[in-house]
Amino acid sequence: EAAVTQSPRSKVAVTGGKVTLSCHQTNNHDYMYWYRQDTGHGLRLIHYSYVADSTEKGDIPDGYKASRPSQENFSLILELASLSQTAVYFCASSDGGLDYTFGSGTRLLVI
Amino acid sequence: LAKTTQPPSMEAYEGQEVNVSCSHTNIATSEYIYWYRQVPHQGPQFIIQGYKDYVVNEVASLFISADRKLSTLSLPWVSLRDAAVYYCIVTDRYGGSGNKLIFGTGTLLSVKP
Repeated sequence: EAAVTQSPRSKVAVTGGKVTLSCHQTNNHDYMYWYRQDTGHGLRLIHYSYVADSTEKGDIPDGYKASRPSQENFSLILELASLSQTAVYFCASSDGGLDYTFGSGTRLLVI
Repeated sequence: LAKTTQPPSMEAYEGQEVNVSCSHTNIATSEYIYWYRQVPHQGPQFIIQGYKDYVVNEVASLFISADRKLSTLSLPWVSLRDAAVYYCIVTDRYGGSGNKLIFGTGTLLSVKP
């Protein structure tokens, strides 16, 4: 079954440390996205990609990097984690339309 | 300026039909209307999309006013599993530059047994 799988499901990170969130899709979709969601708020776009080896900045890219080494994999990297980056992170894929398939999210707590 | 306006919350009883409204007074001719929902601890899930008139699928129906400034998502016979945040999103068919969805704060639907 086509899906978007995120790992880890949750993580506790230390301020200033490096964090890598991973996303894998089996939908054969070209587009992949990273969003963050803060408690009680909607999702905000961090980075996205429409082809392997290329990434684009979303609406809130500061403090984040992204990597798309293959069509199936898309990573979000926090080089120096900060308290303000505590949130739930969602990965999604699409074939170019706007009926995205989302993963179940990664809960990140930065202490 | 927000592109859509939804009620922040709604309540319903199991078995009722629920209508969630969304105002988009500045919708452009190139824009479509998308609805997603998000249950706790899950990512959003696509429900339905439309441009004008009436669209129906196995999950919901979508009514769009003649001037396209108002849309209503209708959920027949809601159950406890329909308790979620419902997002109305208005955007170009391919999300404008970069094929992007922009989420607002949505409508929190609570369902009582």
